[in-house]
Amino acid sequence: AQSVTQPDIHITVSEGASLELRCNYSYGATPYLFWYVQSPGQGLQLLLKYFSGDTLVQGIKGFEAEFKRSQSSFNLRKPSVHWSDAAEYFCAVGPILTGGGNKLTFGTGTQLKVEL
Amino acid sequence: EAGVAQSPRYKIIEKRQSVAFWCNPISGHATLYWYQQILGQGPKLLIQFQNNGVVDDSQLPKDRFSAERLKGVDSTLKIQPAKLEDSAVYLCASSLGLNNEQFFGPGTRLTVL
Repeated sequence: AQSVTQPDIHITVSEGASLELRCNYSYGATPYLFWYVQSPGQGLQLLLKYFSGDTLVQGIKGFEAEFKRSQSSFNLRKPSVHWSDAAEYFCAVGPILTGGGNKLTFGTGTQLKVEL
Repeated sequence: EAGVAQSPRYKIIEKRQSVAFWCNPISGHATLYWYQQILGQGPKLLIQFQNNGVVDDSQLPKDRFSAERLKGVDSTLKIQPAKLEDSAVYLCASSLGLNNEQFFGPGTRLTVL
């Protein structure tokens, strides 16, 4: 069965500092990987996704993520955090054969707080 | 382009009552999903439709939850009777097809007292 682990429940960073959110997955083959962001009272917004090719993927809002097969990780990074980045971030995994369009499994999320 | 619409945004009911949530997907999206997001957890897929047919409802508690998408557009998720543990945010998402990106609505926050 597929699963996603986000080991950090809460993270606090200062505005302008760099950010890395961790995500580890368990899956029987190469998965389709996603990062979503959820602001209070809002639905989930896709930041970026990966299923093949360059292991470093660029997303919206200046975010990037790196797929490391050997570590079963897909960590999200941003070089300089803005106060508006405060939100909850979810990593998700889906089956690559169907393009990941269904059966997404989400992690428990990481709540990001940004100090001014 | 209008996004996924959901109503109501908030609902408070007492246990054993019934409740229904409505979702209007993005126009032209054939696939529709209902997720349950309990506080402190990630969203969990409850049911997935392709047009008006059910693709996956393996995690739907069928003794109390039901969902329909009669004309392949709007969808309704119902809980009858509600339990305390049903308190959660219910998210609706849609995609062009099974292999496409999912777009999420703002969710309905249900509180069962």
